[in-house]
Order: sequence, then C-alpha cells, then structure tokens
Amino acid sequence: GENVEQHPSTLSVQEGDSAVIKCTYSDSASNYFPWYKQELGKGPQLIIDIRSNVGEKKDQRIAVTLNKTAKHFSLHITETQPEDSAVYFCAALSGGYQKVTFGTGTKLQVIP
Amino acid sequence: KAGVTQTPRYLIKTRGQQVTLSCSPISGHRSVSWYQQTPGQGLQFLFEYFSETQRNKGNFPGRFSGRQFSNSRSEMNVSTLELGDSALYLCASSPTTGSNQPQHFGDGTRLSIL
Repeated sequence: GENVEQHPSTLSVQEGDSAVIKCTYSDSASNYFPWYKQELGKGPQLIIDIRSNVGEKKDQRIAVTLNKTAKHFSLHITETQPEDSAVYFCAALSGGYQKVTFGTGTKLQVIP
Repeated sequence: KAGVTQTPRYLIKTRGQQVTLSCSPISGHRSVSWYQQTPGQGLQFLFEYFSETQRNKGNFPGRFSGRQFSNSRSEMNVSTLELGDSALYLCASSPTTGSNQPQHFGDGTRLSIL
C-alpha cells in the first residue's frame, strides 16, 4: 500500500519568514496530493491540492510543488502570519476510490 | 452552503459497549469517508461509502462498520469498545468517488473509552 513520509514534525518560524514542509510517497500510481491544515479542536481543512499532471500550483501565499520522478511534493508558505500556526498534513491518493494516505503531520508555529 | 456535520461532538463510553456516530455530508456530495485520528497512529482511513455501498476499506477489525443512506448521510458503528478505540473520528465528503476528488472534513466526534 501507499506510504507517505512527512518532514519536519515541528517547525518554528518568525512571522514574515517562509515555511517549507516536505513529503515523499511510495506508490507511483498516486495521482492526487492534497494538503490540509488542522487547528485545535477542528477537522482538517483542505488548503491546496495538486494533481499528477501539474508540477506546481500557487494560491496567494501558499504553493505546492510536485516531482513525480522523485515521488516527493512540498508545501511552501510565504510571509507567514501567526494565524498560519496549526498542524499541516500532506496526503496522497491512488486507485479508483477515495483511500487517502496521510503524512504524520507538521506542527507549524509562527512566532510574532 | 453548510459543511460536513458530525454528531455528537463528544462521547464517553465504557469498555464493551457499542457506539454509533453520524455524518451528514455537504449537500450534493455522495461519497463519505471515515477516518480515525490518534496521537500515536495519526490519521488512518477506515472506509468509504458511495451510493450506499462500501467502496474501500482500511485495515481495521470487523468491530468497525458503517453504512450509508439514500440521502448520503452515513453512520459508523463500533462494537465491543476497547480502550484503544479512544480517538477523534472524522468524516469527510466529496462530490463523487475516485482518487482525484477533494475531500472536505467535519470537525469530528471525540470518543473517549473509560
């Protein structure tokens, strides 16, 4: 089955700096890679996603890159703000059904 | 448009009991998936339902079961509860099934086993 590794597990940045979270996956058939943000007491919220036929996608301060050859994808947050503090999860989907494999999460702390 | 609604938000049970959790997907969404979230194991896929049929299943024992109704609402049942079943149970919905469909999560049901 699919295995997703996520690094780092914790990340502290100063407000205004950039943050990068990296994930690798094992199943070459995976073709959809969403990123979720989870705040305390809430469910994961989809913040950006990328499909296997695209190498990069950007939405305001958030961008995701995908390298299918190396089987890794990354989340980039620029100009971080205190409200970006949360746990971020990467995920990969493959096959014909909704079976999501999540990374282990990155706790991001943005220091004002 | 209302999001995914899970009830109840909190539940306390004792070992050996059974529990039923409910999930109402986003209007128009027909696929419902369930996940278990724990500090030790992270987010783990339980199963997916689409058109009242279980389409995919994760690696959980048969004590975990579910169903989906004709209006796409879904329930998850756990029988003979064990201490290790204490977790946040999350439901996610998407418009249809398939591996490129974005999933939208509810805020979960926090289940505590005493």
